[in-house]
Amino acid sequence: KNQVEQSPQSLIILEGKNCTLQCNYTVSPFSNLRWYKQDTGRGPVSLTIMTFSENTKSNGRYTATLDADTKQSSLHITASQLSDSASYICVVSAQAAGNKLTFGGGTRVLVKP
Amino acid sequence: GAGVSQSPSNKVTEKGKDVELRCDPISGHTALYWYRQSLGQGLEFLIYFQGNSAPDKSGLPSDRFSAERTGGSVSTLTIQRTQQEDSAVYLCASSRSTGSGANVLTFGAGSRLTVL
Repeated sequence: KNQVEQSPQSLIILEGKNCTLQCNYTVSPFSNLRWYKQDTGRGPVSLTIMTFSENTKSNGRYTATLDADTKQSSLHITASQLSDSASYICVVSAQAAGNKLTFGGGTRVLVKP
Repeated sequence: GAGVSQSPSNKVTEKGKDVELRCDPISGHTALYWYRQSLGQGLEFLIYFQGNSAPDKSGLPSDRFSAERTGGSVSTLTIQRTQQEDSAVYLCASSRSTGSGANVLTFGAGSRLTVL
């Protein structure tokens, strides 16, 4: 069964600090992995999307890494801002699955001043 | 439109009533998806459309749930005889195409359903 596990479930960090979120998956055969940011009361918004051959991708202060061998990804937030408070969702797509995506449960990040 | 529009944004209904949720995808997006997100939980896949057809309905939780899409655009998710466990946020997303390529889903803001 395709699964995506995220950790931690939640974390609190001080403004200006860095943090790293983890995503482990068992989706096979792997197609791509995406990180989404979901603000409270809103739909998810795409941050990064990575295919098998990509190890690192950045989007401003967000940097995602992918290790396809160990089936792990991380999302690193640098110099956090209050607006980074949100849920971060890891989503993995399997090949030939009609683009049916497997969602992780998300990590809730709260940035405090 | 510029984004994915969903309506209503909030719906409160009594147990046993039917509800319809509407999704208006981004113009030109051929793929449309419905997901459900219960409080504090991850997203649960319900159904996706390629054009007007639904190749994958595997996520619909029961036969009380149905969805249709007409004209390759607007989609309606219908829940009949609602139950309290149907309470959730129903999210719609669209993308330019399906397949195993690196497509990005654009999500709507969701319809929050509360069944009393």
